[in-house]
Amino acid sequence: GDSVTQMEGPVTLSEEAFLTINCTYTATGYPSLFWYVQYPGEGLQLLLKATKADDKGSNKGFEATYRKETTSFHLEKGSVQVSDSAVYFCALSDEGGSYIPTFGRGTSLIVHP
Amino acid sequence: NAGVTQTPKFRILKIGQSMTLQCAQDMNHNYMYWYRQDPGMGLKLIYYSVGAGITDKGEVPNGYNVSRSTTEDFPLRLELAAPSQTSVYFCASSYLRVQETQYFGPGTRLLVL
Repeated sequence: GDSVTQMEGPVTLSEEAFLTINCTYTATGYPSLFWYVQYPGEGLQLLLKATKADDKGSNKGFEATYRKETTSFHLEKGSVQVSDSAVYFCALSDEGGSYIPTFGRGTSLIVHP
Repeated sequence: NAGVTQTPKFRILKIGQSMTLQCAQDMNHNYMYWYRQDPGMGLKLIYYSVGAGITDKGEVPNGYNVSRSTTEDFPLRLELAAPSQTSVYFCASSYLRVQETQYFGPGTRLLVL
């Protein structure tokens, strides 16, 4: 079945540091890939997405590229801010699979001033 | 648009009690989902619905029940609360099933004692 694996957290960085959160996936079909962000006490909200190989999703300075050859969708940001502190979830929905969205376990990011 | 709304925000139940978690969306979305989020475990799908009158089990349906009499509403019923059901519950909706962003409610925190 489909699965998503994210790097374990927490990831702790100083403000203006470079961020990478790794995400790899397995899927039976042709998945769309997503990054969601969850701020403390809130529900998840979409950060960015990519629907086909080599697409790059971007939003609020975050980027992720859909790499079919390495089955990866790593999240990056060049300079993090304290306000980026949150939990980040990688997810997929698979057109050729069960259609049920699959989420990773989430990676907590803590940014210090 | 209010988006996805959930009530209550927080509830304490005694073992064996029953309750209904309410979820409503005003975006005319066909697909609705119920997830539970346990610490460090990501999201697990409980039930989902592809339209009014149609529901299906997700990954962890035991101890829960759902109905979908209208496009807008998707309540989740706990019949005999158990400590294992202590969790944060999120309702989500999407217009399509694949390639489509899910919109999440703010969550209901449930404590079963």
